[in-house]
Amino acid sequence: QLQLQESGPGLVKPSETLSLTCTVSGDSISSSSYYWGWIRQPPGKGLEWVASVHYIGTTFYNPPLKSRAAISLDTSKNQFSLKLSSITAADAAVYFCARCSGTVGIIARGAFDIWGQGTMVTVSS
Amino acid sequence: QSVLTQPPSPSGTPGQRVTISCSGSSSNIGSNTVNWYQQLPGTAPKLLIYSNNQRPSGVPDRFSGSKSGTSASLAISGLQSEDEADYYCAAWDNSLNGQVFGGGTKLTVL
Repeated sequence: QLQLQESGPGLVKPSETLSLTCTVSGDSISSSSYYWGWIRQPPGKGLEWVASVHYIGTTFYNPPLKSRAAISLDTSKNQFSLKLSSITAADAAVYFCARCSGTVGIIARGAFDIWGQGTMVTVSS
Repeated sequence: QSVLTQPPSPSGTPGQRVTISCSGSSSNIGSNTVNWYQQLPGTAPKLLIYSNNQRPSGVPDRFSGSKSGTSASLAISGLQSEDEADYYCAAWDNSLNGQVFGGGTKLTVL
C-alpha cells in the first residue's frame, strides 16, 4: 500500500530556507506513470499547489513561488524534497506531499490521488 | 483570490441532494479535466472525483461530478453527517502552466 510521509523542521526563522522531505513507501518514485508534488494550506485557508516533479527531471512550479522554490527527487532513498528560500510569515502552512496520476503524456495535469498526512511549518524568529 | 471560484458555505439536511459549483475559465476548466477533493476536519485532502466524473475505488456513488464549458459541479445525494467537510475543485491551468485550486466550500450538514 502506497504511503507518503512528510518530514521537516517544524519551525523556520524568517529569511531562512525551508527544507521538506517526503518519503514514499509501497511504490517507486522512479515510475514513469506519476508526478510527485507539494501542496500547502495556510492555517484556516484553502489549498495551494506549490510544485510537481517527474523522475526524469521535469518540474512545474506555481508562478508566484517559482523564484524561491526547488523540488527534487532522490531515487536512492525513494524520497522527494522541497526547498523554499527567503521564508516569510506568509509561508506558514501545513505542507502536504502527494502523488499525481493522469493521462499518459499529460500526467502533471492529473489528480493528486495519494496524500501524506501533512507537516506544519511555523515561521518565527 | 483563487483562480477557480467556489461558493462559500452551502448546507443541507440528511438525505438531501447538494450541489457545489466551481467556476473557471477557458485556460483551466475549459481546456482540462476537473478533480474534486474532500477534506475532513484535521485531515489531509482525499481525492473524491477525477477526470470530471470518475470516482476512485471506495468513493460512494452518492458523489458525482460533471463539467460543462468553464464550470464544473460536484453533487452529493443522500447527504450524510459524515459528508460535513471542505470540498475543493482543481484543474490544470494552461496559462499558469500549473495546478490551480478553488477556494474551497465548507459543507454543513444540519
